[in-house]
Amino acid sequence: EDKVVQSPLSLVVHEGDTVTLNCSYEVTNFRSLLWYKQEKKAPTFLFMLTSSGIEKKSGRLSSILDKKELFSILNITATQTGDSAIYLCAVEYLQGGYQLTFGKGTKLSVIP
Amino acid sequence: DTAVSQTPKYLVTQMGNDKSIKCEQNLGHDTMYWYKQDSKKFLKIMFSYNNKELIINETVPNRFSPKSPDKAHLNLHINSLELGDSAVYFCASSHGTGVGQPQHFGDGTRLSIL
Repeated sequence: EDKVVQSPLSLVVHEGDTVTLNCSYEVTNFRSLLWYKQEKKAPTFLFMLTSSGIEKKSGRLSSILDKKELFSILNITATQTGDSAIYLCAVEYLQGGYQLTFGKGTKLSVIP
Repeated sequence: DTAVSQTPKYLVTQMGNDKSIKCEQNLGHDTMYWYKQDSKKFLKIMFSYNNKELIINETVPNRFSPKSPDKAHLNLHINSLELGDSAVYFCASSHGTGVGQPQHFGDGTRLSIL
């Protein structure tokens, strides 16, 4: 049973569109949720969220966490072709020690 | 300057061999990690290690062993390679000792087992 579920699995949009990526989780003793962007090689860190309702923002990207409903969203406004990547969500929780589980990712393709 | 560097970038070898992948970070981070990413791009943590504690994902076969000569290095040794070990292996590092801290990843090592 997957503890971290991302949706959609893939998404194709046109440049300029706004997209919302979802990450839901089912863990006990939640500690943090992280978003990463993976282009051709290494994942790169985007956001770390620990508190509900506080939006983190970086340029056209923003993210928010809802600890009551157990999900997070990643928004990208005015998408560009350079936003094409796999977006990964990871959840840290305590279960016999600190655990980190990644979702399967959302593949975003932005076409001109 | 590369923050987290892995070598080799590609590794092609036969079933049954023993191989190592090296990882070095120059960020002064406290914790280093190894991940396996399969053909479906699913990223799974294998180990996290700081100078006090090695945390092993219980699903990782004991053919895999991390070795840390010092704080800046965490190498991955794999014994008796199997076909299912084919994947991209990522090294990463972070400040602090919690696995939920932002991590810097290396560019990965693509391991192919013949």
